[in-house]
Amino acid sequence: DSGVTQTPKHLITATGQRVTLRCSPRSGDLSVYWYQQSLDQGLQFLIQYYNGEERAKGNILERFSAQQFPDLHSELNLSSLELGDSALYFCASSRDTGGLTVYEQYFGPGTRLTVT
Amino acid sequence: DQQVKQNSPSLSVQEGRISILNCDYTNSMFDYFLWYKKYPAEGPTFLISISSIKDKNEDGRFTVFLNKSAKHLSLHIVPSQPGDSAVYFCAAADEKLTFGTGTRLTIIP
Repeated sequence: DSGVTQTPKHLITATGQRVTLRCSPRSGDLSVYWYQQSLDQGLQFLIQYYNGEERAKGNILERFSAQQFPDLHSELNLSSLELGDSALYFCASSRDTGGLTVYEQYFGPGTRLTVT
Repeated sequence: DQQVKQNSPSLSVQEGRISILNCDYTNSMFDYFLWYKKYPAEGPTFLISISSIKDKNEDGRFTVFLNKSAKHLSLHIVPSQPGDSAVYFCAAADEKLTFGTGTRLTIIP
């Protein structure tokens, strides 16, 4: 158990809909990261938040957005869903100091999103 | 543009022998490298890491080697055990982590 929790575990929705994925980081971790893993792909970095502020952005679509709340939990919002958005979405957290150095990240169990 | 590559999608090794997983990268700005292990229906688990100022890091049965001139790193597991069967991802860090596509390791009893 990494200490990172994600809800829900599974989500099935239709094209055009909007969903929200939730992540609670490990106790004491200020950084939260979101990743997407499509079939047979590696993990694609989407976005990082540090202590409520956006820190780094990866291959995140404009239809996707995220935020980190004062209690440090984070939400990833996916809208106007398309079939190709079906994937595993992982959240990770780390205890970095706020600089740009990336320390070891600890991953949650993931949310499996299926768009039909 | 795949900056981190794991060219072997799968690898089978006899129990007790050495498992060697390889990873190549193209971005010379990467300064920290990590290996993660992933079981089905779970998130990746951090295994071992190495800074670009080192060429070897050891932790129990796991050793990571870094060859900066070749832009190559490898993970050695010795001796291999059945519980090591999983997908292994290498990752390289600059201001974010870039992951390879993974190698599925199967340990044969």
